[in-house]
Amino acid sequence: AQKVTQAQTEISVVEKEDVTLDCVYETRDTTYYLFWYKQPPSGELVFLIRRNSFDEQNEISGRYSWNFQKSTSSFNFTITASQVVDSAVYFCALSDPSGGYQKVTFGTGTKLQVIP
Amino acid sequence: DTEVTQTPKHLVMGMTNKKSLKCEQHMGHRAMYWYKQKAKKPPELMFVYSYEKLSINESVPSRFSPECPNSSLLNLHLHALQPEDSALYLCASSQADSSYEQYFGPGTRLTVT
Repeated sequence: AQKVTQAQTEISVVEKEDVTLDCVYETRDTTYYLFWYKQPPSGELVFLIRRNSFDEQNEISGRYSWNFQKSTSSFNFTITASQVVDSAVYFCALSDPSGGYQKVTFGTGTKLQVIP
Repeated sequence: DTEVTQTPKHLVMGMTNKKSLKCEQHMGHRAMYWYKQKAKKPPELMFVYSYEKLSINESVPSRFSPECPNSSLLNLHLHALQPEDSALYLCASSQADSSYEQYFGPGTRLTVT
């Protein structure tokens, strides 16, 4: 069965600090997709990144970077030089063939608070 | 256009009312989703439509009735709801056969009194 674990419930950092959000996943399939979403206080989930199971390249987008390691079933997200606008709940998610890829399993989320 | 719109933004309804939530996307996506989200919890999948056909129903009570009139529109009809149904209802869309990342609307915050 699919499972996504985000062990960090809440993190507080001071502005300009770097912060890493952890995500560990479980799936029996060899083909799957991993995602990160951001949910600011306004409520709308914003798609940040998709990674498929065959692509272990790390990705950087501005201050955001993602580290995908199949060996440890982890897909961690780092924000460099955090800003107040980064304050949000961040969800890691997984989809695999068991749900036709449309059934997404979300982690419980990590609430990030960036203090000015 | 990467926007998913939802109306209304807020809805207060009594337990005997009938109301509908609406969702629209113009990204050419052929999969659309309804989620329910309670405070401090992740979204819970309710329904998935793929090519305008209901493909997933996560054992949702019949007081919630989805409808997909065309590839751009998704409705959620509400009838005889309970106070515990109060939540944020999120609509999303995605490609049906590839990529699969979902794009979400801003949600409808529903309160059942």
